[in-house]
Amino acid sequence: GAVVSQHPSRVICKSGTSVKIECRSLDFQATTMFWYRQFPKQSLMLMATSNEGSKATYEQGVEKDKFLINHASLTLSTLTVTSAHPEDSSFYICSAKIAGGQETQYFGPGTRLLVL
Amino acid sequence: AQRVTQPEKLLSVFKGAPVELKCNYSYSGSPELFWYVQYSRQRLQLLLRHISRESIKGFTADLNKGETSFHLKKPFAQEEDSAMYYCALSRPYGNNRLAFGKGNQVVVIP
Repeated sequence: GAVVSQHPSRVICKSGTSVKIECRSLDFQATTMFWYRQFPKQSLMLMATSNEGSKATYEQGVEKDKFLINHASLTLSTLTVTSAHPEDSSFYICSAKIAGGQETQYFGPGTRLLVL
Repeated sequence: AQRVTQPEKLLSVFKGAPVELKCNYSYSGSPELFWYVQYSRQRLQLLLRHISRESIKGFTADLNKGETSFHLKKPFAQEEDSAMYYCALSRPYGNNRLAFGKGNQVVVIP
């Protein structure tokens, strides 16, 4: 149980385009999901907390207009990288917490974004 | 702000030898501490949390508030323990936001 999926697993796009990444909790409801970014050989850096039915909470230094987050249902959160640039190339990982459950976060497999 | 420090990046140990991964944290309150593991080509998954006080796959970790540490230990390393290990901290009532350390790459030599 407690499986989180991400789609796509890998995406290559041109500079200036927008890319949407989906994060789904497959067998549980998640009122809270988290989006992380991971650079090569670096740790996970929390970007934002996605709250179902309300606005996302962004970490300091993360541009909310650049990284749009929508948590429209209890099983889906989306991250849209708007007007992507090469420096946005990274590994994006989401996690989800079971609604009303413990603090354990269940992680998705990640999405590799390459902006040319 | 909370911070998690994992000093060694790469740790190589022989099979059967003990392994210890160090984790120190800075936080003024009483945090919750976790160890996450990422095996090759797999997603990040929870290994253990300090609240549970249990041994998972032979690993244990004790929260030492005096030393602000949460070191991960296993007395006899196995080849399947080769993975990336991350120490993480969550503030109680802090909306479950996790702060991760930089991670330790563990390689168990047969």
